[in-house]
Amino acid sequence: AQSVSQHNHHVILSEAASLELGCNYSYGGTVNLFWYVQYPGQHLQLLLKYFSGDPLVKGIKGFEAEFIKSKFSFNLRKPSVQWSDTAEYFCAVMVTGGGNKLTFGTGTQLKVEL
Amino acid sequence: NAGVTQTPKFQVLKTGQSMTLQCAQDMNHNSMYWYRQDPGMGLRLIYYSASEGTTDKGEVPNGYNVSRLNKREFSLRLESAAPSQTSVYFCASRPTGPTLAFFGQGTRLTVV
Repeated sequence: AQSVSQHNHHVILSEAASLELGCNYSYGGTVNLFWYVQYPGQHLQLLLKYFSGDPLVKGIKGFEAEFIKSKFSFNLRKPSVQWSDTAEYFCAVMVTGGGNKLTFGTGTQLKVEL
Repeated sequence: NAGVTQTPKFQVLKTGQSMTLQCAQDMNHNSMYWYRQDPGMGLRLIYYSASEGTTDKGEVPNGYNVSRLNKREFSLRLESAAPSQTSVYFCASRPTGPTLAFFGQGTRLTVV
């Protein structure tokens, strides 16, 4: 069964610091990968997605993620975080042809301090 | 275009009571999902429906039942609510193929 691991459960950064959140998945076949963000009190919103092609994916608000197939990873990065990036971030994987099951990681709570 | 609509948004139940959470999407999506979100545990899949007429268990199906009434609607039923089912429930839908999922606003359920 597919699974998703997010190793950083809580991250605290100062504004302008660089961010990298780890995401690893366990499935050897073709996958679609996603990062979602949930701001306090709000529902999930898509940050970026990878289906195929260029493994470096750019999303909204300056976020990007790199798919490294050999490492089963899809880490999220942002060069310079802002206070407004305080939120919870979820990595998700969907196995193509796997019944459309979309599996999420446990999430990373990011707090950006002024 | 409403997207994914969940009702109710908030609910308080007593232990042992039953209720159905409703989810409807107007995007003609084939797949629909129910998740629960708990602090430190992320989103866990309860049930999903890859297409109209099919449903499958996810990671945490115990205590729940689902019905894919038609292509638009996917309901989640708690037959006998327990405090452990206090959570925020999200419904999502997506079309077939490499596409993203759209989420509803969530239902905050408290079982006392």
